[in-house]
Amino acid sequence: SAVISQKPSRDICQRGTSLTIQCQVDSQVTMMFWYRQQPGQSLTLIATANQGSEATYESGFVIDKFPISRPNLTFSTLTVSNMSPEDSSIYLCSATETTGEGEKLFFGSGTQLSVL
Amino acid sequence: AQSVTQPDIHITVSEGASLELRCNYSYGATPYLFWYVQSPGQGLQLLLKYFSGDTLVQGIKGFEAEFKRSQSSFNLRKPSVHWSDAAEYFCAAPEGGNNRKLIWGLGTSLAVNP
Repeated sequence: SAVISQKPSRDICQRGTSLTIQCQVDSQVTMMFWYRQQPGQSLTLIATANQGSEATYESGFVIDKFPISRPNLTFSTLTVSNMSPEDSSIYLCSATETTGEGEKLFFGSGTQLSVL
Repeated sequence: AQSVTQPDIHITVSEGASLELRCNYSYGATPYLFWYVQSPGQGLQLLLKYFSGDTLVQGIKGFEAEFKRSQSSFNLRKPSVHWSDAAEYFCAAPEGGNNRKLIWGLGTSLAVNP
């Protein structure tokens, strides 16, 4: 299976600053996604990172707050902008890989973000 | 609307005991269903998935799950739990049949006593 490297693994940030999270896949993948996992809650899809075009955002998420880049088929970044304590969460990068059993969604190890 | 429910927020079992984690779904058609595990400080790892065919699905790490349409359930089982199984377990199903967008349960936190 493909391997996703995500960094930083954790960070503590000040209110009003921005953090960029990087996601590197060791093989070319068609689809890459960004999820948020807030404390005590399930995973929520933020957006689909599209290679060569603007990301597709889910309801409740906007590009100004969560700009996403996808310059090629193996790399994507998510920026959490103008952070507030409510942005404290785990952010997960994921990608789909096509196997003999169909598409499989796999994940990076996540970025634990704490905003003071 | 589709939903995935994990009724148990937290479960504690003794090492060597059997385990069953519950997952219920609401979806009109036969769903695809997944179980993921998230170990502390790590990302999500796919344990197993059900697409069609045999309703008893074998996964990694000795886990299995059984799809029961009559009960709208996809419970995860393991006959003998190891201390390393302590983790968060998530059940998920594609939204509207789209494998790329999953609806997730809230997760079940598993603690294993020595």
